[in-house]
Parts: sequence; structure tokens; C-alpha cells
Amino acid sequence: GAVVSQHPSWVICKSGTSVKIECRSLDFQATTMFWYRQFPKQSLMLMATSNEGSKATYEQGVEKDKFLINHASLTLSTLTVTSAHPEDSSFYICSARGGAAGTDTQYFGPGTRLTVL
Amino acid sequence: AQTVTQSQPEMSVQEAETVTLSCTYDTSESNYYLFWYKQPPSRQMILVIRQEAYKQQNATENRFSVNFQKAAKSFSLKISDSQLGDTAMYFCGYSNSGYALNFGKGTSLLVTP
Repeated sequence: GAVVSQHPSWVICKSGTSVKIECRSLDFQATTMFWYRQFPKQSLMLMATSNEGSKATYEQGVEKDKFLINHASLTLSTLTVTSAHPEDSSFYICSARGGAAGTDTQYFGPGTRLTVL
Repeated sequence: AQTVTQSQPEMSVQEAETVTLSCTYDTSESNYYLFWYKQPPSRQMILVIRQEAYKQQNATENRFSVNFQKAAKSFSLKISDSQLGDTAMYFCGYSNSGYALNFGKGTSLLVTP
């Protein structure tokens, strides 16, 4: 149990276009999902916390107008990178908090590699 | 803000040997959760082991065990009988119920034949 999927696994887009990444909890309901960004050989950097039915909470320095997050259901959160530029190229990972009650455990998706040309 | 420190950027161990990865954290909370995640070259984050701060007993999962020292704010991971498949980045994480994980910078572990 506790499987999280992400789609797409990799995407290449042109500068100025928008890209949507989906994060789904497949076998549990996740009231909270998190979005991270990871640069090569570095740790995960939290971008935002997404709660079902409410606005996402963004970390300091993360542009909320560039990284739009929607958590429309208990199993789906989406991250849209708007007007993408080469500096947005990175590895994006989502996680969902859930599984057995009270464990406070996050399960991670496989990540999405974004390359902006 | 809570900080997590992993002081060993890289480590190496021979197959079948035992290795210990270090992690310290800083918090003023009394109840929290600690985790070790593994990130192999595929970059999929895999939960290795978790520890609830209010439990004194150290968590174990097969070949993986932790040494949780709450007063010292230390949470080390011991891998016994190391296998080639254990080669990965290992991240120590802290979570204060309901909030996101704070990760350390990671330890790159290489298991050699």
C-alpha cells in the first residue's frame, strides 16, 4: 500500500510554455500533499504544502504565480509551471501524507524531470 | 525552524559489512517523527525506517535499525549485512506532526563488492 504516482515522468518544453505535473495517491486518501524540487546531487527543497480544498502554502522564495498548485480531490494534486524558463529545469517530486492513521509518514512519487529549452 | 544535519557527505562499505550513517537534528518540540529515506539512482524516494519520538524503543526493519538518542538529538541508521542494492543517497528527515519533512543534505553510500 501507500503508492504515489506522478505524471509525466519527464517532459521537455519550450521557454514560455506551461507544464502541468500530476501527483496521485493510488491506494489511500491524502489530505495533504507536498511538492519538492531537487537539483542534482542536492537534497529536496520544499516548495509548497497542498491541502485538499484549500489554497496551497508556499515556502519563502517560491513564486506562487509561477508554480500553481491545485489539490482538487483527496487523491490528486497538480503543479503547473507557468511561463517556464530554462532556470525552472529541475527534478520535481511530490509526496502524500497518509497511510496508516497517526503515522505522519510521507510517501513519494517517482518524480518528474522538467527540461525547459 | 528545525534543522537536520548529516555530517557524512559520502561513505563506502564492503558487501556484507555493517555501516552507520549519522544524523542530528535541532528542535524544541517534544513529539515529532524521524525518518530515513533512500534515493537510489532511479531517484525514487523510498522509506527505509521511521521513529516516533515518544517511543523509546529503537525502530528496526530487517537489516536496518536506528539508534535514537532523544536527549542528544541524534538519529543514526545502521545497515547490517550491506548489499550492492543498498547503494544510494540516504536522507534523514524530521517532521513535526502534520508538517512537511525537513531533510538533511544526504549521505551518498557506496557498497562495494
